[in-house]
Amino acid sequence: DQQVKQNSPSLSVQEGRISILNCDYTNSMFDYFLWYKKYPAEGPTFLISISSIKDKNEDGRFTVFLNKSAKHLSLHIVPSQPGDSAVYFCAAKGKAAGNKLTFGGGTRVLVKP
Amino acid sequence: NAGVTQTPKFQVLKTGQSMTLQCAQDMNHNSMYWYRQDPGMGLRLIYYSASEGTTDKGEVPNGYNVSRLNKREFSLRLESAAPSQTSVYFCASSDDPGREKLFFGSGTQLSVL
Repeated sequence: DQQVKQNSPSLSVQEGRISILNCDYTNSMFDYFLWYKKYPAEGPTFLISISSIKDKNEDGRFTVFLNKSAKHLSLHIVPSQPGDSAVYFCAAKGKAAGNKLTFGGGTRVLVKP
Repeated sequence: NAGVTQTPKFQVLKTGQSMTLQCAQDMNHNSMYWYRQDPGMGLRLIYYSASEGTTDKGEVPNGYNVSRLNKREFSLRLESAAPSQTSVYFCASSDDPGREKLFFGSGTQLSVL
């Protein structure tokens, strides 16, 4: 049973518009959440993270929102650029020491020029 | 600035053959990890090593063994490859175990026939 789910396997958006990626989790013990970005033939790279004590974290064009009551987080990319075309993974970590990251299945984003 | 280096990049095995995937990092990180990526499944942790001399099982350890040779190197061995082990394998390292910001290698595409 997947504890972290990304229900949209793909997303297509026009350049300059907003991309919204969603992620749902089931484990209430998760206390730290991250987004990774992956280009073809490369390893994932860290994008942005958020602690469960916050509900928003912003870094340039990227903003992550956390809704703990709904066990939902989202990644907003504004404005979207063609270079943002990639697969995005959300990941979550539990509070207990030694808990490792649990990843979602990924969302492929295509930004059209 | 090599970061995390994995070898080989591609490998084809026959069922029952063995092989070792090599990983080295030059960032002086304490923690190292092996993940596998399958379509729709995200990344799943196979084994990790919190520090030199220690290794622990992750989510999907069956059929694999690991060796933390020194602080830089962490290898993954398939003793008797099975078609179910066809996947993309990523090595990662971290010096931030509380937050799990991982640095990934570029991956090994493994096919078991």
